[in-house]
Amino acid sequence: EAGVVQSPRYKIIEKKQPVAFWCNPISGHNTLYWYLQNLGQGPELLIRYENEEAVDDSQLPKDRFSAERLKGVDSTLKIQPAELGDSAVYLCASSLSSRSEAFFGQGTRLTVV
Amino acid sequence: DAKTTQPPSMDCAEGRAANLPCNHSTISGNEYVYWYRQIHSQGPQYIIHGLKNNETNEMASLIITEDRKSSTLILPHATLRDTAVYYCIARSPNQGGSEKLVFGKGTKLTVNP
Repeated sequence: EAGVVQSPRYKIIEKKQPVAFWCNPISGHNTLYWYLQNLGQGPELLIRYENEEAVDDSQLPKDRFSAERLKGVDSTLKIQPAELGDSAVYLCASSLSSRSEAFFGQGTRLTVV
Repeated sequence: DAKTTQPPSMDCAEGRAANLPCNHSTISGNEYVYWYRQIHSQGPQYIIHGLKNNETNEMASLIITEDRKSSTLILPHATLRDTAVYYCIARSPNQGGSEKLVFGKGTKLTVNP
């Protein structure tokens, strides 16, 4: 069974440019998470979806970050415009429900120069 | 979610048992203890979770003290591939409770040959 798939694996952009990350969760998983991980730190939740509804986006910087999960399957996380401080690994995870263990993708390493 | 405390780093000899401690003195009665690990350049991987009783699976054993204020993750025969950052997380599964995984900095386990 395929795990959580993220793309791209790496991305380098100049500051003020837009960037988007894509996540395909495990089939049948209703809950989808986006996490941000800075170097040397544990992952921090940005947003959680239950099917297509964002049920926890309190940590998402809404001035520049946006996310969507059309049809309750794939999800896209966007940053516009990117800042130097956005350089980090962006992780997607999914679970059968919000009470089940989460499975993570390999992440997208973003470097903003 | 209850805060957990872990040592920043530990070493273990290959083939020996690795015992990773976690303190969660403020854990509430309905919060589970989850363990994840993160190997370099990969996303976090679910290991095991428990509420009151000790748990064992193919990856590890989880020992939770009777007062639930601390727990220990045991890797019975550590291999070099077990070198990773191990995260201990207290998570509430109840409706209306915080169902997200709140990661700390974890314990960096190094398995030495």
